[in-house]
Amino acid sequence: GENVEQHPSTLSVQEGDSAVIKCTYSDSASNYFPWYKQELGKGPQLIIDIRSNVGEKKDQRIAVTLNKTAKHFSLHITETQPEDSAVYFCAASGVNYGQNFVFGPGTRLSVLP
Amino acid sequence: DGGITQSPKYLFRKEGQNVTLSCEQNLNHDAMYWYRQDPGQGLRLIYYSQIVNDFQKGDIAEGYSVSREKKESFPLTVTSAQKNPTAFYLCASSTDRGSETQYFGPGTRLLVL
Repeated sequence: GENVEQHPSTLSVQEGDSAVIKCTYSDSASNYFPWYKQELGKGPQLIIDIRSNVGEKKDQRIAVTLNKTAKHFSLHITETQPEDSAVYFCAASGVNYGQNFVFGPGTRLSVLP
Repeated sequence: DGGITQSPKYLFRKEGQNVTLSCEQNLNHDAMYWYRQDPGQGLRLIYYSQIVNDFQKGDIAEGYSVSREKKESFPLTVTSAQKNPTAFYLCASSTDRGSETQYFGPGTRLLVL
C-alpha cells in the first residue's frame, strides 16, 4: 500500500526566513497531495493542495511543488511569521489505496520571533 | 455557518464501557471519515462512509463501530474491545471520495479513567 514519509520531524526558523518541508510517497498512482496545518488541540486545516497534473501551486506565502518522477512533494513557506508555528501534515491519495488519504507523521514548525 | 462539529470536546471512558463520539456536518458532503491521532504520529483511518447506510473499515477498525443513518451524521462508538482508546479522534467530510479535499472537525480527546 501507500507509504508517506515526511521530513524533518521538527523545524525551527527565525521570523522572516523560509521553511521547507518535504514528503515522499511510494505509490506512483497517487494523484492528489494536500497539506494540512494543525494548531494545538484543534483539527487540521487545509492550507494548500496539488494534483498530479500540476508541478507547482502558490497561494500568497505558501507554495507546493510536486516531482512525480522522484515521487516527492514539498511545502514552502516564505516570510514566516510566529502564527505559522504549528504541526504540518502532508497526505497522498490515489486509486490503489481506494482514494483514501495516507498521512505523513507530521512536522512541528516553530517560528522564533 | 457551515462546517463540521464534534462533541464532546473531552470524553472519559471507564474500563469495559462503550462510548460514542458525535460528528455532524452541514456541508452537504456525501463522504465522511473517522481518524485516530496519537502523539507524534500521522492520522490513521478508522472507518469511512461514502453514502448513507454504507460504511467501510479503514486501517484500524478493530474495537470501533460506526453508523450512517443520516447524511449529516456519522457517530463513532469506541467499544470495550478497544484496549488502548486514549487518543485524539478526528472526523472529516468531503464532497465525494476520490481526490477531493477533506475538511476536519475540531476533534474529541478520549481519556481512560
